[in-house]
Amino acid sequence: GAGVSQSPSNKVTEKGKDVELRCDPISGHTALYWYRQRLGQGLEFLIYFQGNSAPDKSGLPSDRFSAERTGESVSTLTIQRTQQEDSAVYLCASSSGSSYNEQFFGPGTRLTVL
Amino acid sequence: AQRVTQPEKLLSVFKGAPVELKCNYSYSGSPELFWYVQYSRQRLQLLLRHISRESIKGFTADLNKGETSFHLKKPFAQEEDSAMYYCALQNTGGFKTIFGAGTRLFVKA
Repeated sequence: GAGVSQSPSNKVTEKGKDVELRCDPISGHTALYWYRQRLGQGLEFLIYFQGNSAPDKSGLPSDRFSAERTGESVSTLTIQRTQQEDSAVYLCASSSGSSYNEQFFGPGTRLTVL
Repeated sequence: AQRVTQPEKLLSVFKGAPVELKCNYSYSGSPELFWYVQYSRQRLQLLLRHISRESIKGFTADLNKGETSFHLKKPFAQEEDSAMYYCALQNTGGFKTIFGAGTRLFVKA
């Protein structure tokens, strides 16, 4: 079956605009993660969703960032009033519902804020 | 606070030489540790995890709770091991994941 997919693959926007990034997890995976990777740096945890539990939003850097997930499928990460420091690759991953399971990563969305 | 430290940004070794990628962590509970790898033009993928006590592609990693380390080792590096390696920690409960900054391994012929 298909792996995790993300769209768009690249997004260039102007400072102050809102952007929406999409993630389609592997079917049946109840856990979904968003990470940010700035140039030359590691992955920065943003948020995860697990089944019907409340999401862990502890990694969201500001209230300009939000994410939603529809049931156990698609998730969208929204960044409002984008800033240049938001430029990064945004990675999505999904895993089955058990603890400590392997995360399967998408190809990422490269966001450039001019 | 949870933290994963990979002190080396770049590690260069010759083919056939032993390799050790260092990972130290900071966590007050009992974490689960992972190594993920990203080969050129491929997605980030799991290499191995402590809970499985496995050896993948000749790599092993031992959790040392006294030194809070989870170093990745391979006795004889191969050119195809050249990649970016990330150490990761999951907290008790097993979902929130903290990654290190990564180490780029370059294996020279």
